[in-house]
This record gives sequence, structure tokens and C-alpha cells, in this order.
Amino acid sequence: GENVEQHPSTLSVQEGDSAVIKCTYSDSASNYFPWYKQELGKGPQLIIDIRSNVGEKKDQRIAVTLNKTAKHFSLHITETQPEDSAVYFCAAILNTNAGKSTFGDGTTLTVKP
Amino acid sequence: EPEVTQTPSHQVTQMGQEVILRCVPISNHLYFYWYRQILGQKVEFLVSFYNNEISEKSEIFDDQFSVERPDGSNFTLKIRSTKLEDSAMYFCASSELQGGGYTFGSGTRLTVV
Repeated sequence: GENVEQHPSTLSVQEGDSAVIKCTYSDSASNYFPWYKQELGKGPQLIIDIRSNVGEKKDQRIAVTLNKTAKHFSLHITETQPEDSAVYFCAAILNTNAGKSTFGDGTTLTVKP
Repeated sequence: EPEVTQTPSHQVTQMGQEVILRCVPISNHLYFYWYRQILGQKVEFLVSFYNNEISEKSEIFDDQFSVERPDGSNFTLKIRSTKLEDSAMYFCASSELQGGGYTFGSGTRLTVV
């Protein structure tokens, strides 16, 4: 089955700096890669996603890049703010697999004011 | 914005008892999921549900677990004969498309004592 690895497990940045979180996946047939933000006591919230036919997608301060050949994808957050502090999860989905997501282990991002 | 609603937010149960966790997915979504997250760990897939039947289930989802969509709006997870290791956050999610991004509920924290 699919295996998703996520790095780093913790990331601390100064407000205004950029943050990058990286994930690799094992199943080359996976074709959809969402990123979720989880705040304390809440469920994961979808913040951005990318499909395998696209190399990059941007939404304001967040962007995701995908390298299908290398089977890795990354989340980039620019101009970080304290409210960006949360746990971020990447995931990979194989469309034919009933939409089941395989999640990475999560990255705890702390943005220091 | 449409939400996935989960009740209760916290459930404490005696080991060996049965619990039912309830979810109301977004009304026009067709794919439903249960995930669990043991404290500090990754989000783990339990089961996916489509067209009134299970699409896929994980190794975790053994005979102790069952799901049901009894009335076209609620989506329930039943855990029979709970064990200490069932203590976790249980998240319900729904999606409009197979292989699309999920909307997660806020979760039910299950504590088995």
C-alpha cells in the first residue's frame, strides 16, 4: 500500500520567514495530494491540494509543488504569521482506492512573533 | 460554509462497553470516511463508505467496528466491546468526489477506562 513520509516533524520559524514542509510517497499511481492544517482540539482542515497533472499551485501565502518523477511534494508558506502555528499533514490519495487518504506523520509548525 | 458535525465531542466509556459515534456529513457529499488519531500520532484510515456500503476498510477496522447510514443524513461508527487501546480522536469526513479533498468534522474524543 501507499506510504507517505513527512519532514520535518517540528519546524520553528520567526514571523515573516518562510516555512517549507516536504513529503514523499511510494505509490506512483497516487494522483491527488491534499494538505491539511490541524489546530489544537480541531479536525484537520484542507488548506490546499494538487493533482498529479499539475506541478505547482498557489493560493495567497501558501503554495504546493509536486515532482511526480521523484514522488515528492512540498508545502511552502511565505510571510508566516503566528496564526499559522499548527500541525500540518500531507496526504496522498489513489483515485481508484475509494478515496482513501494515506497521511504523513505531521509537522508541528511554530511561528514565533 | 457547510460543516461536518460530530457528536458527542467527548465520550468516556467503560472497557467492554459499546459506543456509537455520530456524524452528519455535508448534505451533497457522497463519500464518507472514518479516521482515528491516537494522541500525538498520525491520522489513520478506518473505513470508507459509498452508496450505502463499505468501499474499503483498514486492518484496524475489524469485527469490533461497524458503520451505518441509517437515515440518509447520519453516518455512525459503532465500536463493540471497547478496549483501552481504542482511546483516540475519531474523525468523520466527507467528500463530494472520489479522490477529492475531505471536509473533516471536529472529532469525538473517545476515552476508554
